[in-house]
Amino acid sequence: GENVEQHPSTLSVQEGDSAVIKCTYSDSASNYFPWYKQELGKGPQLIIDIRSNVGEKKDQRIAVTLNKTAKHFSLHITETQPEDSAVYFCAASMSGGFKTIFGAGTRLFVKA
Amino acid sequence: NAGVTQTPKFQVLKTGQSMTLQCAQDMNHEYMSWYRQDPGMGLRLIHYSVGAGITDQGEVPNGYNVSRSTTEDFPLRLLSAAPSQTSVYFCASSYALESPLHFGNGTRLTVT
Repeated sequence: GENVEQHPSTLSVQEGDSAVIKCTYSDSASNYFPWYKQELGKGPQLIIDIRSNVGEKKDQRIAVTLNKTAKHFSLHITETQPEDSAVYFCAASMSGGFKTIFGAGTRLFVKA
Repeated sequence: NAGVTQTPKFQVLKTGQSMTLQCAQDMNHEYMSWYRQDPGMGLRLIHYSVGAGITDQGEVPNGYNVSRSTTEDFPLRLLSAAPSQTSVYFCASSYALESPLHFGNGTRLTVT
């Protein structure tokens, strides 16, 4: 089955710097890659997603890149702000399937 | 529009007790799922449903039962609780395959 690895587990950056979180997946049939942000005491919320027919997608300060050949995808947050501090999860799911498999998560600290 | 509602928010059980975690969504989503979240392990899929009357197992189904009699509700049953089931449980729904998951705010379960 699908396996998703996520790095780093913890990331600390200064306000205004960029943050990058990387994920790899094992099943080449996966074609949908969402990213979720989880704040304390709440459920994860989608922040951006990308499909396998797209190499890069951007939404304001957040961007995601996908390399299908290497089976890895990354989340880039620019101009980080203290409110970006949270746990971020990458995930992967297969075409026609409902099983979304998550990475272990990255705890991001943005220091003011 | 409440989204995905989970009850209770907190629960303490003794080993061997049974209970049902409730999940309801008001978005008319066909797809619903249950995840457990443990430190350092991300979110692991327990069971999922692609519509009323249809359920299937995820990555970690042992010790849990589900049923889906209506589109709105997807309860998770623990028949005989074990300390290994101490976790935070999230219910999620989505409108289609390969579409974003909408999560509830979770149930924190402790089994002593």
